[in-house]
Amino acid sequence: NAGVTQTPKFRVLKTGQSMTLLCAQDMNHEYMYWYRQDPGMGLRLIHYSVGEGTTAKGEVPDGYNVSRLKKQNFLLGLESAAPSQTSVYFCASGNGDEQFFGPGTRLTVL
Amino acid sequence: EDQVTQSPEALRLQEGESSSLNCSYTVSGLRGLFWYRQDPGKGPEFLFTLYSAGEEKEKERLKATLTKKESFLHITAPKPEDSATYLCAVRYTGANSKLTFGKGITLSVRP
Repeated sequence: NAGVTQTPKFRVLKTGQSMTLLCAQDMNHEYMYWYRQDPGMGLRLIHYSVGEGTTAKGEVPDGYNVSRLKKQNFLLGLESAAPSQTSVYFCASGNGDEQFFGPGTRLTVL
Repeated sequence: EDQVTQSPEALRLQEGESSSLNCSYTVSGLRGLFWYRQDPGKGPEFLFTLYSAGEEKEKERLKATLTKKESFLHITAPKPEDSATYLCAVRYTGANSKLTFGKGITLSVRP
């Protein structure tokens, strides 16, 4: 099992550009999550999903959108990137208890 | 407001020098407390889940304990490979599986 995988690993964007981060899990988990991690801030929840076709806002949802069309995939979109979105993004999945994390995507917005 | 506070922010130990990391929480119904290990440039790795006061879990040199207001991660005779950032997270009643994370404790173990 690959666990939780994230694509891409690194990305540099210019302000105003858009992109989509892909998360995939092969553990048949119902729940999936997107976090961002910034120095001194800890992990903060952006959006999450409690099952295929569902999404919900987390702590810091502004500027991001998500979709969960298939149970194993959770996409995070940035429609118009801003420098404040420079961060490391982590995807996680679970069945309502422990969460298991992917390796992260380092995003820089210039 | 529900909060998770970890202390100290950073800890430097000599190899073999045992110590404890603290995670305190203000709670409106704790449904679980989770410890993770995070190595530089990697995602958090799950270590333990604790559900009720008095519960303890062990794995190699690590032991996690839980009281009504805090959790401790005890590290016995640490080795340099235990160097990492240790994250604590809690799940509250009504949180719908969401976790609230502390800022982490960076542990450095010198040989």
